[in-house]
Formats: sequence, structure tokens, C-alpha cells
Amino acid sequence: DIQLTQSPSLLSASIGDRVTITCRASQGISIDLAWYQQQPGKAPTVLIYRASTLQSGVPSRFSGSGSGTEFTLTISSLQPDDFATYYCQQLHTYPRSFGQGTRVEI
Amino acid sequence: QVELEESGGGVVQPGRSLRLSCAASGFTFYLSGMHWVRQAPGKGLEWVTSIWNDGTNPHYADSVKDRFTISRDNSKNTLYLQLSSLRAEDTAVYYCARERDSCHWCFDLWGRGTLVTVSS
Repeated sequence: DIQLTQSPSLLSASIGDRVTITCRASQGISIDLAWYQQQPGKAPTVLIYRASTLQSGVPSRFSGSGSGTEFTLTISSLQPDDFATYYCQQLHTYPRSFGQGTRVEI
Repeated sequence: QVELEESGGGVVQPGRSLRLSCAASGFTFYLSGMHWVRQAPGKGLEWVTSIWNDGTNPHYADSVKDRFTISRDNSKNTLYLQLSSLRAEDTAVYYCARERDSCHWCFDLWGRGTLVTVSS
């Protein structure tokens, strides 16, 4: 099974900050990676797929990069709605594993 | 309106069974692969199981293999998850999610979730 490790687990930031979250896969997954945002008490929503493609309707301050085993999610200028938990997920093989999550807080 | 709505959660004793349902609306259900994902209280997301659009090729997480069964009824636009031999560690919010080829198999539509609590 493919393990995904996100870092950091907790990120403290301020409005307007540029933040970067890393996701490392235990083996190569090409670009078969998605990023999700989850607000407290809500279901996740997809932000990025295919490692770097922005889902329709997602603000352009979100971007993704990487391939193989190392991926990043970047928020260029943090907004109040962005304080949430972020998960990466590999779509390369089964089980469709998630990273453990990164909580972005003020 | 494109949506998924889970139901069937509740409090159940260890060792008992429960069936969850996920009603789909607003899209062509029989064309979509479907998944269940769960989230224990205060924890991260855990992928549980999936099924192809035609009801074949199920996959399961090791943690639920041989205890949970995924199925679907395309005539009713409904996805199911049969939970058996439940354990305390199965306590979680269970989400159903749609997989889309157009987003490289990402989960682009999620329900609101249904809470399963396993407790004596």
C-alpha cells in the first residue's frame, strides 16, 4: 500500500501569508494526486487534481505542483476562508489513501 | 441539484450490523464509480471502499475487508454499505463520494455524511 505523509501537521499563519504544504508518497505515483480542503463539520471539497490542475470554481491563489513522490500545495495569500484542514490523496492505486492532514490555523 | 445524501447511521452495539445508504440525484449515477470514506471523531480521512459504475470490481481497505460490503442499485440511484461485525474503532462519520474521470478520478462530489457510533 502507498503511504502519504504530509508536513507540517499543523501550520500557524496569518492573513496574507504564503503557505506551502508538502505531501510525500512512499512510492512513485506519477501525477495521480488530489488535494482537498475540509472545513470543520463539513465534507471535503476538491481543490486540485492531477497534482496541479485547479478544480473549477477554486480560487487561483491555490496551486499544486510535483510528480513522482513529492508534491506541494501552495496558497499564495491566505484568506479567512482558508483556515481549514487540507488532505492529499493518491489516485494511482488501491487503496486510495489520504495523507494524515494539515490543519492551517491563525 | 447535484447531490449525495447518506442515511442509516446510528448507535449500534459491538458485533452487530448496520446498512448505510447513499442516494444520488442530479447526475447520471450509473456512469460514476463510487466510494465510501470515513472520518473518526477528531481524526483524518480514511478511504474505506469503492465500486465501479456497473457494480463490479469492489475494493476494500484492509481494516474493513471481510466485514463491510459495498453494493449499488443503479435503478434506484443508490449506493450501499453493509457494515458487519462492528467494532468500536469503526465509529466515524461515513461519507459517500463520486469519482470522476474528468478530474483524473478525484472525488468531486461528497455527501454530508452519516455518523455511526459503535458502543455498548
